[in-house]
Amino acid sequence: EAGVVQSPRYKIIEKKQPVAFWCNPISGHNTLYWYRQNLGQGPELLIRYENEEAVDDSQLPKDRFSAERLKGVDSTLKIQPAELGDSAVYLCASSFKGTGVRGELFFGEGSRLTVL
Amino acid sequence: AQSVAQPEDQVNVAEGNPLTVKCTYSVSGNPYLFWYVQYPNRGLQFLLKYITGDNLVKGSYGFEAEFNKSQTSFHLKKPSALVSDSALYFCAVRDSYDGTASKLTFGTGTRLQVTL
Repeated sequence: EAGVVQSPRYKIIEKKQPVAFWCNPISGHNTLYWYRQNLGQGPELLIRYENEEAVDDSQLPKDRFSAERLKGVDSTLKIQPAELGDSAVYLCASSFKGTGVRGELFFGEGSRLTVL
Repeated sequence: AQSVAQPEDQVNVAEGNPLTVKCTYSVSGNPYLFWYVQYPNRGLQFLLKYITGDNLVKGSYGFEAEFNKSQTSFHLKKPSALVSDSALYFCAVRDSYDGTASKLTFGTGTRLQVTL
């Protein structure tokens, strides 16, 4: 069974440039999460989707970050414009709603962003 | 607000010796507790969880964790460490009274180094 797939794995951009990350969750998982992991820190939730609906985006910096999950499957996280402080690993995770409530998430390998 | 503390940035242990990675938590209700492991350049992998019942829970790769309500701890243990256990370990907590699956709070991580 394929896991959560993310791309790109690595991205280096100049500040003020836009960047986008893509995530394909495990087949059948209706809940999708985007987390940000800063160096030396644990992951922090940015946004959670139940199917195509964003049910928790309270931690998403909406002035520059946006996300979508149009058909309730793949998702894209965008940053525009990027700032130096956005350098981090962006993790996508998915779960069935039941296991998600109990906390068992399946993570992708992450997209490492470096903003110069 | 819920929180997790992992007091050790790094734990060093010789192969074959028992290991313990410490975690304490704070929630207003009853906790759901989790351990995840992150190998280099890989996403987080679920190890084990405590939801209810037996305070000693067993997980993947021979790991186990003991829930101690009076000490608000959930330490990760393994009787005999392997070099391949070397990785970054994250403790996470969710308040059982929190109706949203997204409020999974991670600790800052503990790097486990197992040497020959």
